[in-house]
Amino acid sequence: DGGITQSPKYLFRKEGQNVTLSCEQNLNHDAMYWYRQDPGQGLRLIYYSQIVNDFQKGDIAEGYSVSREKKESFPLTVTSAQKNPTAFYLCASSPNPRDIFANTGELFFGEGSRLTVL
Amino acid sequence: ILNVEQSPQSLHVQEGDSTNFTCSFPSSNFYALHWYRWETAKSPEALFVMTLNGDEKKKGRISATLNTKEGYSYLYIKGSQPEDSATYLCASKNAGNNRKLIWGLGTSLAVNP
Repeated sequence: DGGITQSPKYLFRKEGQNVTLSCEQNLNHDAMYWYRQDPGQGLRLIYYSQIVNDFQKGDIAEGYSVSREKKESFPLTVTSAQKNPTAFYLCASSPNPRDIFANTGELFFGEGSRLTVL
Repeated sequence: ILNVEQSPQSLHVQEGDSTNFTCSFPSSNFYALHWYRWETAKSPEALFVMTLNGDEKKKGRISATLNTKEGYSYLYIKGSQPEDSATYLCASKNAGNNRKLIWGLGTSLAVNP
């Protein structure tokens, strides 16, 4: 089945360690996104990528890094510089490169990864 | 930062009841309003993307309306079923945030059999 796969579902990390969350899609979508969910807040955009080898900072990019070497993959690294990394992370995709600015462009989501920093 | 507000935060209904909830969003420089359903332990799924004032969309027993002049959208569920239990998220695109989606906190619906 076509969809978005995020792994791992649960991850524990010690303070000071970097960790990478995987996001893979087989929908042949151009655009991919990373969101973060915290209690009492709506989803917030961390990074997005409109096409391969290009990505842009979202609203809360500090302490995170991404890469987009392949169309189907958009991994997110949570670095030790991220002050409050414990959160639920959602990856999404949409068909067209300009969806983030378009009037339509519904998102297709993965099931998320929960990161806990001990 | 623009805010999207959803109400109520949560509600419980009996199977067969009809229900509705609200998404309020900035009306200025509006581009689009998204509705998603998010069941526990699953991925959020798009229900509707709406752009035109007065628009009404329907998918099965679920429908949504849009008022862009006053900045609100209603989501209606007719004859609720236990499988409708989920969190319903809305998100707004406005020029004020470079046309990126701003998300509400969601309305959590529980349908009792």
